[in-house]
Amino acid sequence: EAQVTQNPRYLITVTGKKLTVTCSQNMNHEYMSWYRQDPGLGLRQIYYSMNVEVTDKGDVPEGYKVSRKEKRNFPLILESPSPNQTSLYFCASSSQWRRYNEQFFGPGTRLTVL
Amino acid sequence: GESVGLHLPTLSVQEGDNSIINCAYSNSASDYFIWYKQESGKGPQFIIDIRSNMDKRQGQRVTVLLNKTVKHLSLQIAATQPGDSAVYFCAEIKDGTASKLTFGTGTRLQVTL
Repeated sequence: EAQVTQNPRYLITVTGKKLTVTCSQNMNHEYMSWYRQDPGLGLRQIYYSMNVEVTDKGDVPEGYKVSRKEKRNFPLILESPSPNQTSLYFCASSSQWRRYNEQFFGPGTRLTVL
Repeated sequence: GESVGLHLPTLSVQEGDNSIINCAYSNSASDYFIWYKQESGKGPQFIIDIRSNMDKRQGQRVTVLLNKTVKHLSLQIAATQPGDSAVYFCAEIKDGTASKLTFGTGTRLQVTL
């Protein structure tokens, strides 16, 4: 089954404790991205990747890092989480950039930073 | 499931009726628009798109209407079913920009039996 998986689905952590949210897709997609979703703000893009070893900032990259060492994986790293990073995070992938009608989203990761 | 917004506008529709969900977009230069569906506990799902050179586009049970004069987009769902209950939001993009989908906050559709 074609899918994007994220782990963990739920995470409660404390300020400053490094964490990684994993994202994996099984469709051999080139384009992957991370979004955060907050009440009243809509989805906002954090980082995106056009292909392996090619990443770039989205609209709200501060406080986040990503890497794309393999095509299938695109982890989101919070080196020093802060309470304002409490949010619902989605990973997405598509065969290529701007193939929105083919874009798959993961199920989301609910992160709470205390 | 996950809530995507505590105070989203809500549209309540009886099963079998037609639903109309509206979206006002912000950029008059936007030329591509997408409607997404987000069910509780899941990620967004592409429904239908439309380019600015069109006024209307139809899919299976869904129709998107675009009024560029007033920067308004609507999603019509025919014969609404319980499985249509979700949050629906639009997104806009201006072709030629680097990335740059701008997402709306959404409307919650509740289908009553």
